[in-house]
Amino acid sequence: QKEVEQNSGPLSVPEGAIASLNCTYSDRGSQSFFWYRQYSGKSPELIMFIYSNGDKEDGRFTAQLNKASQYVSLLIRDSQPSDSATYLCAVTYRGNQFYFGTGTSLTVIP
Amino acid sequence: KAGVTQTPRYLIKTRGQQVTLSCSPISGHRSVSWYQQTPGQGLQFLFEYFSETQRNKGNFPGRFSGRQFSNSRSEMNVSTLELGDSALYLCASSLEAGGAYNEQFFGPGTRLTVL
Repeated sequence: QKEVEQNSGPLSVPEGAIASLNCTYSDRGSQSFFWYRQYSGKSPELIMFIYSNGDKEDGRFTAQLNKASQYVSLLIRDSQPSDSATYLCAVTYRGNQFYFGTGTSLTVIP
Repeated sequence: KAGVTQTPRYLIKTRGQQVTLSCSPISGHRSVSWYQQTPGQGLQFLFEYFSETQRNKGNFPGRFSGRQFSNSRSEMNVSTLELGDSALYLCASSLEAGGAYNEQFFGPGTRLTVL
């Protein structure tokens, strides 16, 4: 059973702060890692993906991957109220099947 | 480029009925995956199709089935609906299957309510 674990939250941060979202996965063979954002009543939208150990930055978002610790995180700098959403971590393992965590609810307080 | 489209967007059915949902992937995308999303359960994988063949299947009963057509459009069918089938059904497309580096893009979903 391939598991992807996320803290369900809710996580609250003040506007302008850094939000840190974490995800752990059970299968060491996992190959690629994705972060999706889902607003209430909407479908998930891809924020970014990471394949290699280390950091990957895209605007205000940074994904961090540590395969040895089976840990992937998403940092959101200068958090805005519009970042308030549920963030889903997804992992793929050989082939195209995605395994999703249950998501972390983030609230950015103005 | 148009995104993933799903029809219908909303559906109300009664127990025992069957339902067919449709998904058109992004142009050029050949892989289509289906998910069920319910509060508290997150995204549950139903199945994935590539080149008209089911490549992966999640842990759902046989009442849930799907197919893919030669133009990559996909349908999923749920027979003998139960109250617990009420959910948001999401379709996601990706460029191809078999690789670990294909991003999935989601459609808007079909909200199914079973009464």
